[in-house]
Amino acid sequence: QVQLHQWGAGLLKPSETLSLTCGVYGGSFNNYYWSWIRQPPGKGLEWIGEINHSGSTNYNPSLKSRVTISVDTSKKQFSLKLNSVTAADTAVYYCARWPRSHMGYYSYYYAMDVWGQGTTVTVSS
Amino acid sequence: QSVLTQPPSVSGAPGQRVTISCTGSSSNIGAGYDVHWYQKLPGTAPKLLIYGNNNRPSGVPDRFSGSKSGTSASLAITGLQAEDEADYYCQSYDSSLGGVFGGGTKVTVL
Repeated sequence: QVQLHQWGAGLLKPSETLSLTCGVYGGSFNNYYWSWIRQPPGKGLEWIGEINHSGSTNYNPSLKSRVTISVDTSKKQFSLKLNSVTAADTAVYYCARWPRSHMGYYSYYYAMDVWGQGTTVTVSS
Repeated sequence: QSVLTQPPSVSGAPGQRVTISCTGSSSNIGAGYDVHWYQKLPGTAPKLLIYGNNNRPSGVPDRFSGSKSGTSASLAITGLQAEDEADYYCQSYDSSLGGVFGGGTKVTVL
């Protein structure tokens, strides 16, 4: 049974770069897209972006200018970098598996079915 | 402002039925993309509750059910129990934005 375990710095100062990594254990890494999602205090879930094993990425347009998601297939890990953070980036960050299937021009998006435990990131001077 | 619109809160007495709506648009739910529902308890990761509009993962009680029509979807909880008190989120895919979530609905058991 696949499990995700995430880690990274939890306290940042404004203008610094947020860096988190998510490891995939006990399951296949290839043939999936891997996402980052966050939840600011008192607010809802926000999808940040995703990557697959070959490095193909998609980002939330609202964060695209500051986000980089990368992958290390040899370690079965993927990472999130968010630069120039502000207090508005304070949130619990989650990694998740987001399967999909492609049939020609049609793509089917399954549910985000496996989640990491979450990492609290606080941005404060 | 979330792309998918949910009511901020719903409440019901134990044993009652409550429903949570999730309204999208022609670029997400209305485009035919499936809706999935998650239960979120404080301090824990979201738990998949309903996938593919109306399917329950193994272990999810059949008190939970989902439906989809047009640009909207709904989650129903029948026989409401105290343990159902949580936040619930709908999620889908948007052809312009990628992954999209609703703003979340807090279910309170009176």
